[in-house]
Amino acid sequence: AQKITQTQPGMFVQEKEAVTLDCTYDTSDQSYGLFWYKQPSSGEMIFLIYQGSYDEQNATEGRYSLNFQKARKSANLVISASQLGDSAMYFCAMREGRSRRALTFGSGTRLQVQP
Amino acid sequence: DAGVTQSPTHLIKTRGQQVTLRCSPKSGHDTVSWYQQALGQGPQFIFQYYEEEERQRGNFPDRFSGHQFPNYSSELNVNALLLGDSALYLCASRAQNGAEAFFGQGTRLTVV
Repeated sequence: AQKITQTQPGMFVQEKEAVTLDCTYDTSDQSYGLFWYKQPSSGEMIFLIYQGSYDEQNATEGRYSLNFQKARKSANLVISASQLGDSAMYFCAMREGRSRRALTFGSGTRLQVQP
Repeated sequence: DAGVTQSPTHLIKTRGQQVTLRCSPKSGHDTVSWYQQALGQGPQFIFQYYEEEERQRGNFPDRFSGHQFPNYSSELNVNALLLGDSALYLCASRAQNGAEAFFGQGTRLTVV
């Protein structure tokens, strides 16, 4: 079974609007972390936001927020006030269990911001 | 403070050859992981090094090997290259108790 599922291969959004990128996950561990990364065409994976499984509040980092619904096993990324520079691939990832475990990535969503 | 740095940025090799990729972690980070990202896919975990030992390994053949040095930098070696090894190879580093993994810009390997 897929551990991280991103069902939106591509998304379009108008500049200055908000957009939600979907991510669902599957784990039997009680302790885990959820991550979102941005990958521009240059290739570098840029860390955006982190949510721990025990965190009660949804994580926020500037224009990024993570809509964490534990019962539904979803961790959607919300980008507010989209900018042209937000056009990139976005990956959801999970680390299960102990902090030194590896990351498991989804297949990604390509976001295109239109002027 | 320099982030994670990888070298080289691009590499072209012939099938059957061997390649070594290098990674210097972010200052203060002691754990280095390597990922392979094929075109159009998410990164796949290769292995992780901590205290100069391989601690975890993904589903990759023994042709993929690595090393971590006392200064925490790391190498990824791939022997007997196949066309299917063509990919972006990403290095990530983490601090001992840190949650976030920070990635380098990657090495794009093309096998011809």
